[in-house]
Amino acid sequence: GAVVSQHPSWVICKSGTSVKIECRSLDFQATTMFWYRQFPKQSLMLMATSNEGSKATYEQGVEKDKFLINHASLTLSTLTVTSAHPEDSSFYICSGERTVGEQYFGPGTRLTVT
Amino acid sequence: EDKVVQSPLSLVVHEGDTVTLNCSYEVTNFRSLLWYKQEKKAPTFLFMLTSSGIEKKSGRLSSILDKKELFSILNITATQTGDSAVYLCAVVTYSGGGADGLTFGKGTHLIIQP
Repeated sequence: GAVVSQHPSWVICKSGTSVKIECRSLDFQATTMFWYRQFPKQSLMLMATSNEGSKATYEQGVEKDKFLINHASLTLSTLTVTSAHPEDSSFYICSGERTVGEQYFGPGTRLTVT
Repeated sequence: EDKVVQSPLSLVVHEGDTVTLNCSYEVTNFRSLLWYKQEKKAPTFLFMLTSSGIEKKSGRLSSILDKKELFSILNITATQTGDSAVYLCAVVTYSGGGADGLTFGKGTHLIIQP
């Protein structure tokens, strides 16, 4: 149990366009979901914490108008990268919290902005 | 500022050896400590530790937390080549504002040679 999926796995988009990434908890309800970014050979960096039905809490330095997060249901959160630029190219990973402190990660989405 | 430090950063051992990975932390409002294994994609959950001195065990992996000395160790016995991965430690803190804080260490890159 405790499976989290992400869609798409890999996306290539042109600079200036927006990209939406979905994160779903398949077999549990996740009141809280987290979004991370990972650069090559570096650790995960938490971008934002998303609670179902309320606004996301963004980490310092993360632009909330650029990285729009919606957590409309207990099993779905979305991250939209607006007006993407090449520096936004990265590996984006989400996780769902099944019980407090216990997170399960999605497989990640590789975003390449050309 | 919350801080999680893992050591060593990198470790190469032979198959069959036992390894101990370290994670020390300095945080406010500690809630739990998590261990993850990351291979090519997103991390997979290993353990969640909340209480001092209680060992968690899963097969050849075990972990323990010391809340007085502020560290945790992850032990892997009889290592196999499939254990090669980056092992991440993360600390969950209670923010009081409705969202948990989460801080990752930089990870220990473990390589098991046949």
